[in-house]
Amino acid sequence: GAVVSQHPSRVICKSGTSVKIECRSLDFQATTMFWYRQFPKKSLMLMATSNEGSKATYEQGVEKDKFLINHASLTLSTLTVTSAHPEDSSFYICSASSGSKYEQYFGPGTRLTVT
Amino acid sequence: GENVEQHPSTLSVQEGDSAVIKCTYSDSASNYFPWYKQELGKRPQLIIDIRSNVGEKKDQRIAVTLNKTAKHFSLHITETQPEDSAVYFCAASRTGANNLFFGTGTRLTVIP
Repeated sequence: GAVVSQHPSRVICKSGTSVKIECRSLDFQATTMFWYRQFPKKSLMLMATSNEGSKATYEQGVEKDKFLINHASLTLSTLTVTSAHPEDSSFYICSASSGSKYEQYFGPGTRLTVT
Repeated sequence: GENVEQHPSTLSVQEGDSAVIKCTYSDSASNYFPWYKQELGKRPQLIIDIRSNVGEKKDQRIAVTLNKTAKHFSLHITETQPEDSAVYFCAASRTGANNLFFGTGTRLTVIP
């Protein structure tokens, strides 16, 4: 149980285009979903926290207009990187929690490369 | 906000030896401290966690200790095996699974 999927696993896009990443909880209802960014050999940096049906809470330094987060249902959250630039290239990982337990369950991550 | 520091950044041990990774945190209100293991190219997975109402927790070869007064917690792996090789992250939170602040990670290599 407690499986989180992400799609796509890898994506390459051109500068200036937008990319959408999906995060799904497959076998539980995720009241809260989290989006992280991970640079090579670095730690996970929390970008934003989203609760189903409400606006995401962004961490300091994360541009909310650039990283659009939608959490429209208890099983799906999306992260859209708008007007992507090469510096947005990174590994993006989502996680989800049900609220009733202390654990966050991580997705497999999405490697974004902006050319 | 919370600041979590983790040491060492890399650690190599011989198979069968013990490995210890240490973390400190800044927010005295933090009450939940999980440890995640991330193998290369894979997702982080929870291996053990501890809440602030206990000082130690053990699960087979893995144990975690917490010193609330000093605001530090440690991961202990005994009888290490090559499959323990991975990056380990500590984290701290004041709201359970929400708002986890991660340490910088420790790359553990177990030498056969």
